[in-house]
Amino acid sequence: GQQLNQSPQSMFIQEGEDVSMNCTSSSIFNTWLWYKQDPGEGPVLLIALYKAGELTSNGRLTAQFGITRKDSFLNISASIPSDVGIYFCAGPSYNQGGKLIFGQGTELSVKP
Amino acid sequence: ETGVTQSPTHLIKTRGQQVTLRCSSQSGHNTVSWYQQALGQGPQFIFQYYREEENGRGNFPPRFSGLQFPNYSSELNVNALELDDSALYLCASSALGTPLMEQYFGPGTRLTVT
Repeated sequence: GQQLNQSPQSMFIQEGEDVSMNCTSSSIFNTWLWYKQDPGEGPVLLIALYKAGELTSNGRLTAQFGITRKDSFLNISASIPSDVGIYFCAGPSYNQGGKLIFGQGTELSVKP
Repeated sequence: ETGVTQSPTHLIKTRGQQVTLRCSSQSGHNTVSWYQQALGQGPQFIFQYYREEENGRGNFPPRFSGLQFPNYSSELNVNALELDDSALYLCASSALGTPLMEQYFGPGTRLTVT
């Protein structure tokens, strides 16, 4: 079945550093979504990507839809302490209406 | 604009009991999806409701059931609770006319089964 694999699983960085994480699949996805989840909260949608090759920014966040449609990347520039959390990629199931498939997440820790 | 709300925030139940979780969708959203998130994992799709009918279901047994009401709010019911049902249950809403895949999540209900 469709699966999303995120790497790295966790990251420990210094405040001010840039961060890059990715999401890959053996299946093609037509939409890629990136969410951030803080402890005890629900995921918050950061960026949505709809076209292969698309590059979209949201403040210090930039995400790209891979041209093979099997991967996506999320970059965070000049990290700050509030960037701490778990970042999930997600994409729609090709045969189950409304279903989003999530990766296992990348946990980001930022040291002040 | 009111976001997605869920109740209760936390719940403790005993194995074999039944539970009902509630969700109010974001203003203007008519589609509600439910997800189960075990500790350390990504959310897993349970089902989606659109126009008060189930519109897609994940790999969950029939003891997981749901309802959607005319005001688009929704309930998730779980019968015969098992220890493995302990998780964060998330509700997400989306709007007709926008990409259905842009789902907006509530804060979740933390269910503990003992």
